[in-house]
Amino acid sequence: AQSVTQLGSHVSVSEGALVLLRCNYSSSVPPYLFWYVQYPNQGLQLLLKYTSAATLVKGINGFEAEFKKSETSFHLTKPSAHMSDAAEYFCAVSESGSEKLVFGKGTKLTVNP
Amino acid sequence: KAGVTQTPRYLIKTRGQQVTLSCSPISGHRSVSWYQQTPGQGLQFLFEYFSETQRNKGNFPGRFSGRQFSNSRSEMNVSTLELGDSALYLCASSLAGQAYEQYFGPGTRLTVT
Repeated sequence: AQSVTQLGSHVSVSEGALVLLRCNYSSSVPPYLFWYVQYPNQGLQLLLKYTSAATLVKGINGFEAEFKKSETSFHLTKPSAHMSDAAEYFCAVSESGSEKLVFGKGTKLTVNP
Repeated sequence: KAGVTQTPRYLIKTRGQQVTLSCSPISGHRSVSWYQQTPGQGLQFLFEYFSETQRNKGNFPGRFSGRQFSNSRSEMNVSTLELGDSALYLCASSLAGQAYEQYFGPGTRLTVT
């Protein structure tokens, strides 16, 4: 069965600092991987996705993620945090041929001025 | 293009009652998925519909059901509500086949008292 582990339920960074949110996945077949962001009282917004093309994926709002098969990881990064990045971030995996997403528990990002 | 819409946004029900939630996908999207989000269990997949047929189902009791209409709009129903059904219910739509990029609605916040 597929699973996703997000290390750190809470991450705090200073404005302008590097953002690194960790995600490890488990899948028996080549996966599709996603990062979503959720602002308070809102649904999920897709940041970026990996679908077996380039291993370094660029998304919206300056975020990017690198797929590392040997480490089964798909960590999310942003060089310089902005106050507006404060939100909860979810990593998700799906198998080819399935719409079903399996989500990690989420990481709440706080950005300090 | 309008996003995914969900109605109602907020709902308060009493234990034992039933409830129906509605989801209108993005125009042209034929796949609709439902997720339950709770603080304890996180985001969990309920089911997915494509062309009025349920293609995938998560591990939820039979009290949770859904359907999809010919215009791709979807409804989910929960019968005999329990306190533990209090959650944010999220609907997502996709073109299905487009690398499974799913677009989420704002959710329906269900409170069971």
